[in-house]
Amino acid sequence: GENVEQHPSTLSVQEGDSAVIKCTYSDSASNYFPWYKQELGKRPQLIIDIRSNVGEKKDQRIAVTLNKTAKHFSLHITETQPEDSAVYFCAASFKLIFGAGTRLAVHP
Amino acid sequence: DTEVTQTPKHLVMGMTNKKSLKCEQHMGHRAMYWYKQKAKKPPELMFVYSYEKLSINESVPSRFSPECPNSSLLNLHLHALQPEDSALYLCASSQGPRRPHYEQYFGPGTRLTVT
Repeated sequence: GENVEQHPSTLSVQEGDSAVIKCTYSDSASNYFPWYKQELGKRPQLIIDIRSNVGEKKDQRIAVTLNKTAKHFSLHITETQPEDSAVYFCAASFKLIFGAGTRLAVHP
Repeated sequence: DTEVTQTPKHLVMGMTNKKSLKCEQHMGHRAMYWYKQKAKKPPELMFVYSYEKLSINESVPSRFSPECPNSSLLNLHLHALQPEDSALYLCASSQGPRRPHYEQYFGPGTRLTVT
């Protein structure tokens, strides 16, 4: 079955720095790659997604890139703020096969 | 209304109890999902309903029984659960289960404790 690996498991940055989280997937037929942010005790929230016919997508401080040949995709957050602190999950497929998550801490 | 709601927020049940979790959305979405999330782990898909029909069962034990009474409601009936079933149960919905409407929106979850 589909498998998604996510790195790093934890990421600590200073406010204003950039953060990058990387995921790889196993099923070459996957064509949908969303990213979810989950704050402690809250529901996962969709922050950005990308489909296989697009290489990059940007929404303000957040961008996602996709390399279908290499089967990996990445989340880029620029000008990080303390409120960006949360667990971020990548996923593949409409069935949302999730990566293990990255705990991002942004220090003021 | 752009929200998925779930009741109850918290549930404590014994291993011999029968209880139900409820999920509701009024976004006109035609696909609904149940996920299970253990602490510090990602959500794991349990069931997918598409146009009120069960389309995916991820080999979930029969002590979990889903039901979709109409396009806005999704239930999860629980019976004879085990302590290891304690988790956050998340409901989600999307416009449709296939392209181009993949975006899934989650409810706040029901935190279940089995004693």
